[in-house]
Amino acid sequence: DGGITQSPKYLFRKEGQNVTLSCEQNLNHDAMYWYRQDPGQGLRLIYYSQIVNDFQKGDIAEGYSVSREKKESFPLTVTSAQKNPTAFYLCASKWTGGNTGELFFGEGSRLTVL
Amino acid sequence: AQKVTQAQTEISVVEKEDVTLDCVYETRDTTYYLFWYKQPPSGELVFLIRRNSFDEQNEISGRYSWNFQKSTSSFNFTITASQVVDSAVYFCALSDEDQGAQKLVFGQGTRLTINP
Repeated sequence: DGGITQSPKYLFRKEGQNVTLSCEQNLNHDAMYWYRQDPGQGLRLIYYSQIVNDFQKGDIAEGYSVSREKKESFPLTVTSAQKNPTAFYLCASKWTGGNTGELFFGEGSRLTVL
Repeated sequence: AQKVTQAQTEISVVEKEDVTLDCVYETRDTTYYLFWYKQPPSGELVFLIRRNSFDEQNEISGRYSWNFQKSTSSFNFTITASQVVDSAVYFCALSDEDQGAQKLVFGQGTRLTINP
């Protein structure tokens, strides 16, 4: 079945460690996105990518990094520079042709910093 | 800048009641799209509806209906005869095009609890 797969679903990290969250899609979508969700704040955009080998910062990119080496994959690294990394992270993808279509989301990764 | 406001943080009703979730948006674009998503406990956001700025007709899909009013910059969502399975967090979102890149700006979300 087509969709977006995020892994791991739950992740615990010690302070000062980098961690990488995986996002893979088989929908043949060009655009991919990473959002962060905190209670009461909705979803905030971290990074997005419209095509392979290109990506842009979103509203809260500090302390995060991404790569887009393949169309299907858009991993997010939460670095030790991110001051408050405990959150729920959602990956999404979108077809870029035609009218503005909806985002398709993965099931999310919940990161807890101990 | 684009902004979406969902003033209702939490709503709790008894099953079979009707409930309306409010969404107010701000944009300077003349062409834009509005969305509603549902987030069940599993975490994944599920797309419910997309509406473009030129189409102000209300839409009904089963027990769900949407009221788009450009004059008040609102895109409200009503669930008729609510059911326990409707319990979820609901997000309203607005399209934002920046140098050819299409993004969504989300509201804070409304947690809806339907009690049996």
